[in-house]
Amino acid sequence: DQQVKQNSPSLSVQEGRISILNCDYTNSMFDYFLWYKKYPAEGPTFLISISSIKDKNEDGRFTVFLNKSAKHLSLHIVPSQPGDSAVYFCAARGNSGGSNYKLTFGKGTLLTVNP
Amino acid sequence: NAGVTQTPKFQVLKTGQSMTLQCAQDMNHEYMSWYRQDPGMGLRLIHYSVGAGITDQGEVPNGYNVSRSTTEDFPLRLLSAAPSQTSVYFCASSPFVGDTQYFGPGTRLTVL
Repeated sequence: DQQVKQNSPSLSVQEGRISILNCDYTNSMFDYFLWYKKYPAEGPTFLISISSIKDKNEDGRFTVFLNKSAKHLSLHIVPSQPGDSAVYFCAARGNSGGSNYKLTFGKGTLLTVNP
Repeated sequence: NAGVTQTPKFQVLKTGQSMTLQCAQDMNHEYMSWYRQDPGMGLRLIHYSVGAGITDQGEVPNGYNVSRSTTEDFPLRLLSAAPSQTSVYFCASSPFVGDTQYFGPGTRLTVL
């Protein structure tokens, strides 16, 4: 049973426009969410995170929105640049002890930003 | 700091062979983990460790062993390689479990 879902395997946008990547989760025990970016032949790198006590977190061109009632989060990239072309992974962490603190990853969304 | 390092970058094995994927971090992180990435499957947790001497299974542990004798090193052992273990393997570490993880560059393994 997939607890973190990224239902769009791929997304294509024009340079300068907004990219919106979506992520849904099913486990109500998740309380911390992260986005990672991955280029080919490299390891994932941390991009931005949000705690469940917030509904928005912003870092430069990247903003993550969290809707707890809908169990949905989204990553907005404005404006999109060709260098943003990568696979984006959504990840979530539980809020109880022991193994529930592990990160659970979605399957990723390939973003292509066209010049 | 070198961060998280992994060796080798590429490896080809024959079915039944064994090998060890190396992972080291120099950030004094307590938590280390191994993931595999397969097309359309995202990152799946194989094994993890919350500190030296402590390891536990993740989502897909079968066919793999780990040990954590030091804070810095977390090797992943394939006991008898199978074609189903063809994948890209990533090691990651974080200051504590659940915190932002820092990933190594990965090892691309092919089992023939």
